[in-house]
Amino acid sequence: GESVGLHLPTLSVQEGDNSIINCAYSNSASDYFIWYKQESGKGPQFIIDIRSNMDKRQGQRVTVLLNKTVKHLSLQIAATQPGDSAVYFCAENMANRGKLIFGQGTELSVKP
Amino acid sequence: DADVTQTPRNRITKTGKRIMLECSQTKGHDRMYWYRQDPGLGLRLIYYSFDVKDINKGEISDGYSVSRQAQAKFSLSLESAIPNQTALYFCATAVPHTDTQYFGPGTRLTVL
Repeated sequence: GESVGLHLPTLSVQEGDNSIINCAYSNSASDYFIWYKQESGKGPQFIIDIRSNMDKRQGQRVTVLLNKTVKHLSLQIAATQPGDSAVYFCAENMANRGKLIFGQGTELSVKP
Repeated sequence: DADVTQTPRNRITKTGKRIMLECSQTKGHDRMYWYRQDPGLGLRLIYYSFDVKDINKGEISDGYSVSRQAQAKFSLSLESAIPNQTALYFCATAVPHTDTQYFGPGTRLTVL
C-alpha cells in the first residue's frame, strides 16, 4: 500500500551532478511503470515509461531502471539542471485494468 | 498540457455548498480520470470513466459524483463541500490499452 505522510522524501543535488530517484512499487502483477514530473503549480507531466519486459529504458538525459525481483524502480537524471527541480512520482498500472497507482513522490532540489 | 483543460483553476467555497469542477480535452482520448492531491501525498483516484456510458468509483469516491457528458468532457461535483475536501484536483486522460495518463493543470479548491 501507499505510505502516508505530510513530508515528502527530498533529494538535494548540485547542478551538473547526476540524480537518482528511487521508488518501490507494490504489485508484482503490474506490467507498466511511468515517471511523472510535477513542477510547482502545475499538473504532473509524463517523463518516461517502461514495460515489465524491459529492465532499462533511456530518454533524453533520463534513464529508468526496473528491478522486478525486488519491485524497485529508479529514475536517473544526467547532468541535473535547475529546471529539473520538481516533485517526481512513479506510477504503476494495475495489471491492465486501466488505472495507475501513484507513489508518494520525491522532491528534487537542484543547487546552482 | 493545453490539450487537457480544467475550470476553474482556483475556487474558494463554503461548507455545505455544491460545486462543480469541469474538465475538457481535445486529445480524443476515451478514458478520463479525476484525482485529488493533498500536500505531501501522491495522487488518489476519485472516479474514472472509460467511455461516455461508463463511470467507476476510485479509492476515495465518497462525497463526490461525476458526469461524463461527452467523450471530451468529464465533470466532478462535490455535493456538499466540507473543509477536508480542500485539495488540488486533477483531471487526466488516457488512450485505451496504453495506461499512459496525461494531466490537466489542476484546480485548487478551498472549502471554508
